[in-house]
Amino acid sequence: QKEVEQNSGPLSVPEGAIASLNCTYSDRGSQSFFWYRQYSGKSPELIMFIYSNGDKEDGRFTAQLNKASQYVSLLIRDSQPSDSATYLCAVSDSGAGSYQLTFGKGTKLSVIP
Amino acid sequence: GAVVSQHPSWVICKSGTSVKIECRSLDFQATTMFWYRQFPKQSLMLMATSNEGSKATYEQGVEKDKFLINHASLTLSTLTVTSAHPEDSSFYICSARDLVREKTQYFGPGTRLLVL
Repeated sequence: QKEVEQNSGPLSVPEGAIASLNCTYSDRGSQSFFWYRQYSGKSPELIMFIYSNGDKEDGRFTAQLNKASQYVSLLIRDSQPSDSATYLCAVSDSGAGSYQLTFGKGTKLSVIP
Repeated sequence: GAVVSQHPSWVICKSGTSVKIECRSLDFQATTMFWYRQFPKQSLMLMATSNEGSKATYEQGVEKDKFLINHASLTLSTLTVTSAHPEDSSFYICSARDLVREKTQYFGPGTRLLVL
């Protein structure tokens, strides 16, 4: 049973601070890792994906992957109230051929003005 | 990013009726589309994987005769909820895998179904 674990939160950070979201996964065969943002009542929106160990930066977002520790994180710099949402970590075992995603239950982030 | 549309965005229907939801990839081709369901304050639950030109693969516990999936082209998959009941009321979301950007799934905006 593939599992993706996230702290459900809520994680509260002041505006302008760095928000750190964490995720662990159980399947060592996992190849691809994704972060989605989901606003209340909306569908998930892809923020970032990462395939290799290390950091990947895109604007205010940085994804970090450590396959040895089976850990992936998302840093949001200069957090804004508009970043308040639920962040879903998703993992894919592309070796399965279907590229199914296994989702965590999400971490709710609240950025306080 | 790639665009996935869903239609309708809202459905209210009587118990016992069937509802069809369309999922389209607008600017890319998708051999694989996925159908999810999300209840309030719950995580996404994968219902089935829809493969173009072949039968869908359903997750354990999802009734294939109740949730009919057709993936007739590289840009369109449909989910039909047959004989809907109030407990089928949920947020149904599709996603599509971009053939070019193989490892990435893009989500549609979702369809809210309310069965009275």
